[in-house]
Amino acid sequence: DIVMTQSPDSLAVSLGERATINCKSSQSVLYSSNNKNYLAWYQQKPGQPPKLLIYWASTRESGVPDRFSGSGSGTDFTLTISSLQAEDVAVYYCQHYYGSITSFGQGTKLEIK
Amino acid sequence: EVQLVQSGAEVKKPGESLKISCKGSGYSFSSYWIAWVRQMPGKGLEWMGIIYPGDSDTRYSPSFQGQVTISADKSISTAYLQWSSLKASDTAMYYCARFLGYTSRWLDYWGQGTLVTVSS
Repeated sequence: DIVMTQSPDSLAVSLGERATINCKSSQSVLYSSNNKNYLAWYQQKPGQPPKLLIYWASTRESGVPDRFSGSGSGTDFTLTISSLQAEDVAVYYCQHYYGSITSFGQGTKLEIK
Repeated sequence: EVQLVQSGAEVKKPGESLKISCKGSGYSFSSYWIAWVRQMPGKGLEWMGIIYPGDSDTRYSPSFQGQVTISADKSISTAYLQWSSLKASDTAMYYCARFLGYTSRWLDYWGQGTLVTVSS
């Protein structure tokens, strides 16, 4: 099974600064036949269900602010928030959907410095 | 408006059975898969299993195979997650969510969650 490992487990960033969260898969989630990375990102605020941010590693879900972006390929992926806003305080999860088994990373808690 | 509305919080004793529900509206319920996701207190997300209400095709994550049963009734646009004998370790928030295709299993709409507490 593919194991998803996020880093760091938590980080604190100043308002207006860039936040970067990493996700590494134990094997490639790039499907060669369509050149797509089977990787999504979610945001979960306290007391709420997760919210989809990104799929196919870099495609932003409709309505998601453009300060959120996803990048990477193969086994290494990054979620970047270009200018942190107060409402971005949350736990962020990556998820792979390659093959028949799906799993999430352990989560990264993002706070304001 | 797409909505997934889950049944309310439950408090059960070990050994009891339970069935929680997830009702979809605002879209063609039969045409989207439903996933169930567990979140234990203070922990991360765990993929439990999925069902395609159109034909009841069901797949379980190995960790949950035999531990829960997923079902759906497309006539009332509702999916279910059930336990035959609860354990204290089943205490968690359970979310349902939908996705469109088996090869595109990102979850675009989520239910509000059902908190299950199992305690003697």
